[in-house]
Amino acid sequence: AQRVTQPEKLLSVFKGAPVELKCNYSYSGSPELFWYVQYSRQRLQLLLRHISRESIKGFTADLNKGETSFHLKKPFAQEEDSAMYYCALSGRRTGANNLFFGTGTRLTVIP
Amino acid sequence: KAGVTQTPRYLIKTRGQQVTLSCSPISGHRSVSWYQQTPGQGLQFLFEYFSETQRNKGNFPGRFSGRQFSNSRSEMNVSTLELGDSALYLCASSWRGDVQETQYFGPGTRLLVL
Repeated sequence: AQRVTQPEKLLSVFKGAPVELKCNYSYSGSPELFWYVQYSRQRLQLLLRHISRESIKGFTADLNKGETSFHLKKPFAQEEDSAMYYCALSGRRTGANNLFFGTGTRLTVIP
Repeated sequence: KAGVTQTPRYLIKTRGQQVTLSCSPISGHRSVSWYQQTPGQGLQFLFEYFSETQRNKGNFPGRFSGRQFSNSRSEMNVSTLELGDSALYLCASSWRGDVQETQYFGPGTRLLVL
């Protein structure tokens, strides 16, 4: 069965420090992986997805199929990065638009 | 384009009652998915509708049902409410519902069951 694990519920870093939010997955097939973010009082929104290999707001994430990981990284954290981050998986076996979410990591950037 | 809208935003019901929540997707989007968000279980997929047909279903009891109309608007219904159904219900829309597409989420309907 598919599973997305975000081991850290809470993560605090100082402004300017590097950030890494961990995500590991279990899926027998080729998954599509996403990071969604929810800022305070805003709706859940897509941050980035592995297939587009883009960098959004300075965040990047590399799919490591060997380690089944999709960690989210940013070299220098900003205060506006404080939010709830969810790693999510979708795939043809789970069905189109069936996003399977991790439990989320709340990131706090300390000024 | 207007974003995904959900009504009502807040709802209080008592055990045993039923409830209907509504979701209007972004114009042109034909796929609508529903999720339940609780502190204990996190975000869980309920079901997905595409062109008025349920295409995928999560692991929820039959008390949870939904439908989609020809204009892509969707409703979900929960019958015989239980305390554990208290949650934030999110809907999300996308164009065709392909696995690679971005899902756009609504603000959610917060349901409290007393």
